[in-house]
Amino acid sequence: QQPVQSPQAVILREGEDAVINCSSSKALYSVHWYRQKHGEAPIFLMILLKGGEQKGHDKISASFNEKKQQSSLYLTASQLSYSGTYFCGTEKSGANNLFFGTGTRLTVIP
Amino acid sequence: DGGITQSPKYLFRKEGQNVTLSCEQNLNHDAMYWYRQDPGQGLRLIYYSQIVNDFQKGDIAEGYSVSREKKESFPLTVTSAQKNPTAFYLCASSIILWAGVSGELFFGEGSRLTVL
Repeated sequence: QQPVQSPQAVILREGEDAVINCSSSKALYSVHWYRQKHGEAPIFLMILLKGGEQKGHDKISASFNEKKQQSSLYLTASQLSYSGTYFCGTEKSGANNLFFGTGTRLTVIP
Repeated sequence: DGGITQSPKYLFRKEGQNVTLSCEQNLNHDAMYWYRQDPGQGLRLIYYSQIVNDFQKGDIAEGYSVSREKKESFPLTVTSAQKNPTAFYLCASSIILWAGVSGELFFGEGSRLTVL
């Protein structure tokens, strides 16, 4: 039941933009996004709910298209602190569980 | 300070032994989760619980068992039936926003289990 993330890895220079995609074969009710730095626990970024929602958090934003069962995370004007592995987590209706993708490793270089 | 406490941080076990990983939260969250993390495979759901005395299997429950006797506690036992138990284990908790939607997951620092 794991969602599929792409790309698996990306390298950016400071100031560049990136898009991380998350798709599922199952109908989704919500999508979560988290970032994990090496050796640390994942940290919450945002939740998107059914309804084509789009959210923003500083220069990080995301969209959720429940018809296509897809979500995308947009990182603009990347900073060194954005480096880490990004995970999307998806939920089906009524489940109260969260299944995570395999992650996208993002590296921002000076 | 509110949060989730996992223990032990590192654990070594001989083949054939059961081990129990502790997870305690003082956030008053209803939902708790156990994930396993292996390199390149992301976070895989082992078990989750929405309420005391009730829990459900995730994708990889075979060889694991859990209990939820108290709201604050959700221990995970890795049994000898788990064929490849060496991994990093993460516990998390969340509020339940409404039926079918988990709130933000708060994670513990993790427990790294190595089978010798």
